[in-house]
Amino acid sequence: GENVEQHPSTLSVQEGDSAVIKCTYSDSASNYFPWYKQELGKRPQLIIDIRSNVGEKKDQRIAVTLNKTAKHFSLHITETQPEDSAVYFCAARGPILNEKLTFGTGTRLTIIP
Amino acid sequence: GAVVSQHPSRVICKSGTSVKIECRSLDFQATTMFWYRQFPKQSLMLMATSNEGSKATYEQGVEKDKFLINHASLTLSTLTVTSAHPEDSSFYICSALKAAGGPYEQYFGPGTRLTVT
Repeated sequence: GENVEQHPSTLSVQEGDSAVIKCTYSDSASNYFPWYKQELGKRPQLIIDIRSNVGEKKDQRIAVTLNKTAKHFSLHITETQPEDSAVYFCAARGPILNEKLTFGTGTRLTIIP
Repeated sequence: GAVVSQHPSRVICKSGTSVKIECRSLDFQATTMFWYRQFPKQSLMLMATSNEGSKATYEQGVEKDKFLINHASLTLSTLTVTSAHPEDSSFYICSALKAAGGPYEQYFGPGTRLTVT
């Protein structure tokens, strides 16, 4: 089955700086890669996703890049703000549309004011 | 929109009793829902995939007789933790797959914190 690894497990950055979180996946058939943000005690919320037919997607301060050959994808947050502090999870899904997501282990991001 | 609700948000029960958790998609139909549990500071662990009108598919190591899942309609799935024990205490989160007219994204419920005493 699919295996998703995520690094780093914790990340602290100064407010205004950029944060990068990286994930690798094992199944070359995976073609959908969402990123979720989870604040303490709350539900995971989809913040951005990318499909295997594109290499990069951007939404304001958030961007995701995908390298299918190397089987890794990354989340980039620029101009970080205190409200970006949360746990971020990457995930991967295969080609069957109602297939389960396989999640990474999460990254606790702390923005230092 | 795509809103998923869960009820109850918190429940405390005594060891040996059963607890039912409801997951509803409020503004869309979901033929597929997923149930996860999450321990503190850990990732989401998929327990089972629930498909409307059919039996749930359980992940390896999850006891199907202990965690009963019913997906009786296109907007409701329930998880019943039977004969609960303290080690079942956890944060249970459902998600619903929005398929119609969309990119098959998963939307999560707010979670249910179960404490078994």
